[in-house]
Amino acid sequence: AQSVTQPDIHITVSEGASLELRCNYSYGATPYLFWYVQSPGQGLQLLLKYFSGDTLVQGIKGFEAEFKRSQSSFNLRKPSVHWSDAAEYFCAVTGGGNKLTFGTGTQLKVEL
Amino acid sequence: NAGVTQTPKFQVLKTGQSMTLQCAQDMNHNSMYWYRQDPGMGLRLIYYSASEGTTDKGEVPNGYNVSRLNKREFSLRLESAAPSQTSVYFCASSGPSGGSGQFFGPGTRLTVL
Repeated sequence: AQSVTQPDIHITVSEGASLELRCNYSYGATPYLFWYVQSPGQGLQLLLKYFSGDTLVQGIKGFEAEFKRSQSSFNLRKPSVHWSDAAEYFCAVTGGGNKLTFGTGTQLKVEL
Repeated sequence: NAGVTQTPKFQVLKTGQSMTLQCAQDMNHNSMYWYRQDPGMGLRLIYYSASEGTTDKGEVPNGYNVSRLNKREFSLRLESAAPSQTSVYFCASSGPSGGSGQFFGPGTRLTVL
């Protein structure tokens, strides 16, 4: 069965600092991987996705993520965080079918 | 395009009452989903519909029923609400393959007293 682990429940960074959110997945073959962001009181918005090709993928809002098969990881990064990035971030995996398995989320706080 | 819409946005029920959450999408997607979100547990799949006329159970289907009314609409029904069903409910839709990602509605915040 597929699963996703987001080891950090809460992360606090200063505005302008770099950010890395961790995601580890478990799946037997090449997975489809996603990062979503959820602002307070809102639905989830797709930031980026990986399913083949270049292991470094670019997304919206200046985010990127790198797929590392050897580490079963798909960490999300941003070089310089803005106060508006404060939100909850979810990593998700699927094997190519339509059913996504989500991690439990990482709450990002940005200090001004 | 409105994307995925959900009604209502908020609802308070008493234990034992019933209600239906409505979801519609205008992206011509085949697949639709219902999730619940609880603190510290991420999103858990309740039911999904891979295409019009089909529905399947997800991870937490007990206490819920669904109807795929047509390609656009997918409703979730609570026949006899329980306090354990207090949650935020999200509807989502997706294109034909897993690689397209899912698109989410704004959610319904349900409280069962």
